[in-house]
Amino acid sequence: AQKVTQAQTEISVVEKEDVTLDCVYETRDTTYYLFWYKQPPSGELVFLIRRNSFDEQNEISGRYSWNFQKSTSSFNFTITASQVVDSAVYFCALSGLTGGGNKLTFGTGTQLKVEL
Amino acid sequence: NAGVTQTPKFQVLKTGQSMTLQCAQDMNHNSMYWYRQDPGMGLRLIYYSASEGTTDKGEVPNGYNVSRLNKREFSLRLESAAPSQTSVYFCASRFGTGRTSSNQPQHFGDGTRLSIL
Repeated sequence: AQKVTQAQTEISVVEKEDVTLDCVYETRDTTYYLFWYKQPPSGELVFLIRRNSFDEQNEISGRYSWNFQKSTSSFNFTITASQVVDSAVYFCALSGLTGGGNKLTFGTGTQLKVEL
Repeated sequence: NAGVTQTPKFQVLKTGQSMTLQCAQDMNHNSMYWYRQDPGMGLRLIYYSASEGTTDKGEVPNGYNVSRLNKREFSLRLESAAPSQTSVYFCASRFGTGRTSSNQPQHFGDGTRLSIL
C-alpha cells in the first residue's frame, strides 16, 4: 500500500524566513512519482512539481527547492525568503504502479502561514 | 483555457435529498477522479475513471455513485445525502490511463463546497 505522511500540520513563520515542509512516503513500487501541490486560501489546487524515483537530483525554481532522498523516503520542500503570498496548504502526493498506476495518494497537508 | 470545470460551486442540501455534481474537462484526458477534502484528512479518493466506459471505487465510495458520461464528463451523485457527506469535493483529470498516467500530474477543478443539514 502507498502512504504519504506530512507530520507538520501547521507552520507559522515571519516573512523572509526560510521554511521546509517535510514529506515522507512509503511504497513497494520501484518506479514511482512524487508531486507537490499548493492550495491557497482561494481553494484551488495548483500543481508545483513532479519528481520520479530514479532521479534524485534536487530541483530549484526561484525561491522554491525540493530535496528528494530515496534513502530516507523523503521529498522535502523548502521556500527561501518566504512571502505572505506563500501562505497556503501544501500537499505532497505519491503515484506508483500499484493498482494499475491510476491512483494518486495524498498526504494530509501542511498549513503554512507567513506573517509580516 | 478552462481546464477542469465543476458545477455548482456551492450547494446546501437537506438530509435525504439527492444531488449530482458535474465535472467536465477540455484537455482530452482519459483519466478522471472525484475526491473529497475534509479538515485534517487531506484529499481522499471517492471514485475514478481510468477511461471512458470504466469506473472504479476509491478509498471512500460508500454513499456515492458516478457516471462517466463521455470522455469529457464525469459526474458524482449523492442519492440520499447525509451530514457526514458535508465536504469540499474536487474533480480532477489526468493524461493517459493506468501505468501510462502514473507520471502525470492531476489537474483539479475549483471544487464544490457542499453542506448537508
